[in-house]
Amino acid sequence: NAGVTQTPKFQVLKTGQSMTLQCAQDMNHEYMSWYRQDPGMGLRLIHYSVGAGITDQGEVPNGYNVSRSTTEDFPLRLLSAAPSQTSVYFCASSYQIAGAPDTQYFGPGTRLTVL
Amino acid sequence: KNQVEQSPQSLIILEGKNCTLQCNYTVSPFSNLRWYKQDTGRGPVSLTIMTFSENTKSNGRYTATLDADTKQSSLHITASQLSDSASYICVVSDRYDMRFGAGTRLTVKP
Repeated sequence: NAGVTQTPKFQVLKTGQSMTLQCAQDMNHEYMSWYRQDPGMGLRLIHYSVGAGITDQGEVPNGYNVSRSTTEDFPLRLLSAAPSQTSVYFCASSYQIAGAPDTQYFGPGTRLTVL
Repeated sequence: KNQVEQSPQSLIILEGKNCTLQCNYTVSPFSNLRWYKQDTGRGPVSLTIMTFSENTKSNGRYTATLDADTKQSSLHITASQLSDSASYICVVSDRYDMRFGAGTRLTVKP
């Protein structure tokens, strides 16, 4: 199993540009999520999905869109990049137990810089 | 308001020594508590998970404890190795939501 894969590993954008961060998992996990990690702060949930066709907002969803057309893929789109979105982005997946996420498996992260 | 507080923020120890990392939380209702290890430049990896009824759980040289009454957890690392250098993140769940602590950065020196 490849686990959770993310591309690209690094990205530099100019303010106002858009882009999509890719995330895929091959463990047949229902639950997938996107987090951002900033220095001195805990991981913060951006968006999550409990299954194909179902997405919901997390703690910091503004400026980001997601879709879940398949169980395996969960791309994160930045609509109009801003310097405040400079961060490291992690995708994670897990099984669900009684509707709640089980232990999560994280991807290697995407380091994004917005100039 | 951060509902999960970890201390210390950073810690440096010598190889072979033991150390204990702390996690205090106010998340309620409590569902479970997880400790993750995050190596530099990589995603977090799960070490342990504890539910309300569990006081202690071990994973090799890592031992996590939980006191649900005082809402405190600790992660004890025995006989530290250079490969233990990483950030350790405490995550507390209230059934559907997970709250992440900012982590403790551990450096093990030879």
